[in-house]
Amino acid sequence: TQLLEQSPQFLSIQEGENLTVYCNSSSVFSSLQWYRQEPGEGPVLLVTVVTGGEVKKLKRLTFQFGDARKDSSLHITAAQPGDTGLYLCAGARGGSNYKLTFGKGTLLTVNP
Amino acid sequence: ETGVTQSPTHLIKTRGQQVTLRCSSQSGHNTVSWYQQALGQGPQFIFQYYREEENGRGNFPPRFSGLQFPNYSSELNVNALELDDSALYLCASSLELGFQETQYFGPGTRLLVL
Repeated sequence: TQLLEQSPQFLSIQEGENLTVYCNSSSVFSSLQWYRQEPGEGPVLLVTVVTGGEVKKLKRLTFQFGDARKDSSLHITAAQPGDTGLYLCAGARGGSNYKLTFGKGTLLTVNP
Repeated sequence: ETGVTQSPTHLIKTRGQQVTLRCSSQSGHNTVSWYQQALGQGPQFIFQYYREEENGRGNFPPRFSGLQFPNYSSELNVNALELDDSALYLCASSLELGFQETQYFGPGTRLLVL
């Protein structure tokens, strides 16, 4: 069962455009993380959000955690070809077992 | 500081065979988690080891087993390989347990089962 739904699944845009990627769930998570994965490599953590309503900015990337801690979004401003990659959201629940539940990812291609 | 490393990088096996994948965690990290990432999917949690003990398991059959050694490196063993086991196997280490601990992923081992 895929508890985290990401949309869109594929996104191809031109350099300089803005985009938003969504991560939705019917479950509450203690924290939600966004990763970027490039071909042949493991996922690299971009950000962790913990508090409902939290907004974090990382240069041109803006991450938001929903008030109910069930959904999140990633907004990229003025996308660049270097932003190309698979963007994965992953949720974690509290407790002693730190298990990440991943979405299927959004494959972003930024064309020069 | 050395990052998470995995070996081998690629592997080809046939159905019914057994495979062992290895992971060296980041220096000082005592927690290792293993994930399976099929093509076009997000990673799926297999199991986690904390200080040499299994600390949680996902929906994978018993033919998926693991070990963590005193130096916190880890192995993933898969017996009786099936075609659907073809995937990228990722390990991730973290400094401690906890939902706010950052997990650092290795580059993965790509397994192809023929």
